Order: sequence, then structure tokens, then C-alpha cells
Amino acid sequence: GESVGLHLPTLSVQEGDNSIINCAYSNSASDYFIWYKQESGKGPQFIIDIRSNMDKRQGQRVTVLLNKTVKHLSLQIAATQPGDSAVYFCAETRMGGGNKLTFGTGTQLKVEL
Amino acid sequence: DAGVTQSPTHLIKTRGQQVTLRCSPKSGHDTVSWYQQALGQGPQFIFQYYEEEERQRGNFPDRFSGHQFPNYSSELNVNALLLGDSALYLCASRALAGDYKNIQYFGAGTRLSVL
Repeated sequence: GESVGLHLPTLSVQEGDNSIINCAYSNSASDYFIWYKQESGKGPQFIIDIRSNMDKRQGQRVTVLLNKTVKHLSLQIAATQPGDSAVYFCAETRMGGGNKLTFGTGTQLKVEL
Repeated sequence: DAGVTQSPTHLIKTRGQQVTLRCSPKSGHDTVSWYQQALGQGPQFIFQYYEEEERQRGNFPDRFSGHQFPNYSSELNVNALLLGDSALYLCASRALAGDYKNIQYFGAGTRLSVL
């Protein structure tokens, strides 16, 4: 299928290493944030979310950190696997504002064997 | 449990034509949103439907319109197609209640090419 990340920033990591993907969000009124993974030819897939009253949330092999002071999010993937290769987007929204998602630029993650 | 399904998968149209894209939400979901994703970019919000009415709209012209049916499925219509409308059109659904009500789940999209 076609690539969704032709002109996106790229992060290359070795299999087994940890990955850190960063995202700056724009709206200080946003109170809910989601990380999505998008593989070539597919729609965005939910990974993990975090509300603004938290600064860290952990899932299976993934951790999201939120720094509201500088409007920054990061997604940490432990023990990166080839199946993690994809484009990763952060999205912001206001839960009381209809949940319209505003997406960041996206980062292409490439896992090298 | 079927996820969000969209049809068709691919579509080729010429400038000036009209197109209709279809979306069936995830089971138990009643709110549908449409997004446009140009190649190499993140999805851009077009509009959201709930209870068969447009509830929120992004920065898209009136050529983009939609509809939601009583079974919660939705259509996106684009009139007078322009070359710049070529993109992946994504449908997302969510529930208005429950533990996961804020999470939007996406379909695989419809790839529209305007020639």
C-alpha cells in the first residue's frame, strides 16, 4: 500500500531498543490527548490516551508523558519490535467541546533488524 | 464485533464530479466524524454527526456535506470535485457514554483520486 509518511520526520531504532516519539500540541485548552498508530494503507489505530489531570499513563509496552507547562507529549515504546514500524500521530481535543481531534504532524518510526 | 467500516476502498473521479462515501460505525457507537488526510499529513476534521444532525464542523467549504441515518451510519458527499480533494477520507466513531466514550475509532478509509 502507499505510504502515509512521505514527508514526515523519521525515527530509526534498532529492534529491542526503546523508542521515544515527541509531539508539541497547540491549544492550551485541550484536556484530552490520544496517540494513534497508522500503518500503510490503514486508518489510525488507538494506542493510549491521557487526560490533562495526569502527567503519565502506562499501557502494555507504551507510556505517555504529558507536560502541560510546555504543551508537550511523548510516547515511549519499550523493546521496539518490527511490528511497531508505522506513522505515529498525537491528537488533542477538549472533552467538553465535541471531541473534535486536532492531529500533530506525525512521526515515521522505522525499526531496523 | 465489527469495527468501523467504510466503502468504497478506492475511488477515481474527474474534476467537477460528485462523490458519496459511506461509513458504518463500530457497534454501540452513535457519533460519527469525518476526516480528510492528505498524503504525508495528519487527518483534518471535516464534521461530526450525532442524532442525525451536524454538530461540529471544521474549516471545509460547503461542497462538503454529510448525512447520518437512524442506524447511525453516515455518508460524506463532496460536490464539484477539485484536484485538491484527492486524499484519504477517514470515518471515526465513538460512543457518547461508557468508559471509552472519548476514544474515536477509525475505519481504514476511502482513497479518493480526482483526475
